[in-house]
Amino acid sequence: AQTVTQSQPEMSVQEAETVTLSCTYDTSENNYYLFWYKQPPSRQMILVIRQEAYKQQNATENRFSVNFQKAAKSFSLKISDSQLGDTAMYFCAFRGYSSASKIIFGSGTRLSIRP
Amino acid sequence: KAGVTQTPRYLIKTRGQQVTLSCSPISGHRSVSWYQQTPGQGLQFLFEYFSETQRNKGNFPGRFSGRQFSNSRSEMNVSTLELGDSALYLCASSFADIQGTEAFFGQGTRLTVV
Repeated sequence: AQTVTQSQPEMSVQEAETVTLSCTYDTSENNYYLFWYKQPPSRQMILVIRQEAYKQQNATENRFSVNFQKAAKSFSLKISDSQLGDTAMYFCAFRGYSSASKIIFGSGTRLSIRP
Repeated sequence: KAGVTQTPRYLIKTRGQQVTLSCSPISGHRSVSWYQQTPGQGLQFLFEYFSETQRNKGNFPGRFSGRQFSNSRSEMNVSTLELGDSALYLCASSFADIQGTEAFFGQGTRLTVV
């Protein structure tokens, strides 16, 4: 069975700083997708970034980038120039090719950006 | 275009009652998945419907059921409610004919069982 582990329950950084959220996962599948979702107080789950396991290049989306280490089963999220609007719960998530649309989520990291 | 719509946003029910939650996916999306979010268990997959058929199922008791209509709208039903069913229920829709396509989430239904 696949598992996703986020070892940082909470993090807090100053506005404009860079922060890295950690995630490890376990799977026996070779083809899968990894995601970072953001859930602000409004509860809306928003996709921040996605990574296809077969791609070696790390995904980037503006201020958000990932460090994907397939062999180590590690998938960290880096937020550069953090903004107050980045305050939210962040979930690392896994979706295997064989499990259709089932997404497995980590326990989440509560990120607070201080002014 | 309109996003995923979940109704109602809030519900309060009594133990033993049943409840039905509704999810309208993004137009053109044929897959609808349901998740339960609680502080203790986090986000857990309930089930997924695609073209009116349940395609995938999580580890929840039979009290949790769902269905999907021909217009892709989905309903989730929980019978004989228990206090532990209090949670945020999230619905996600996706095109889903292609593996890995993005899942778009609704704002959820907050269910409180008293």
